[in-house]
Amino acid sequence: SQQGEEDPQALSIQEGENATMNCSYKTSINNLQWYRQNSGRGLVHLILIRSNEREKHSGRLRVTLDTSKKSSSLLITASRAADTASYFCATDPNAGGTSYGKLTFGQGTILTVHP
Amino acid sequence: SAVISQKPSRDICQRGTSLTIQCQVDSQVTMMFWYRQQPGQSLTLIATANQGSEATYESGFVIDKFPISRPNLTFSTLTVSNMSPEDSSIYLCSAKRRGTTNEKLFFGSGTQLSVL
Repeated sequence: SQQGEEDPQALSIQEGENATMNCSYKTSINNLQWYRQNSGRGLVHLILIRSNEREKHSGRLRVTLDTSKKSSSLLITASRAADTASYFCATDPNAGGTSYGKLTFGQGTILTVHP
Repeated sequence: SAVISQKPSRDICQRGTSLTIQCQVDSQVTMMFWYRQQPGQSLTLIATANQGSEATYESGFVIDKFPISRPNLTFSTLTVSNMSPEDSSIYLCSAKRRGTTNEKLFFGSGTQLSVL
């Protein structure tokens, strides 16, 4: 399997519900990041969690990281129709060293939030 | 936050031709990268654009097919050469800002390329 696998591949929920996406990776990492992509255009950075962190919050986003299981999850609470997008995890593989920005992206989760 | 201007936003090209994509960043950056996103797929790193020297290509990508220039800190081009329908993808420019704590990437809006 590839570095940065995500599940589910697609998620369909109603507005107001929570959305949880999971990401698994294979190598040691410096940090793990989540990005959002609308309609196949440019990606927007959402949140970054470092390898020595276990949980991080930003607004309605909550990210967890379990380095022992090499997995992460992104929770979007109280979802809105505007959250409809593709979400990608990305790992920075240079564990313990300087980040060179060469990220490896997961396959992504397509989230659809119905009004 | 850095703003990245990428153009063209989309193009339809004939087999065998070449297309050059431009990427302009509005602030000083350290690293610039080019990614490819094939239809329905994730992003794959093509290369790191190095200022004033040859780009560093990832496995499976070669300079003859994807020549890259970066004449200064804030500008880079990617050329897709001798195109075939398999090159139909979204091509994305990205950049990393200065500072060891700034590990996130900024992305251009992408170039959607269709090759007939």
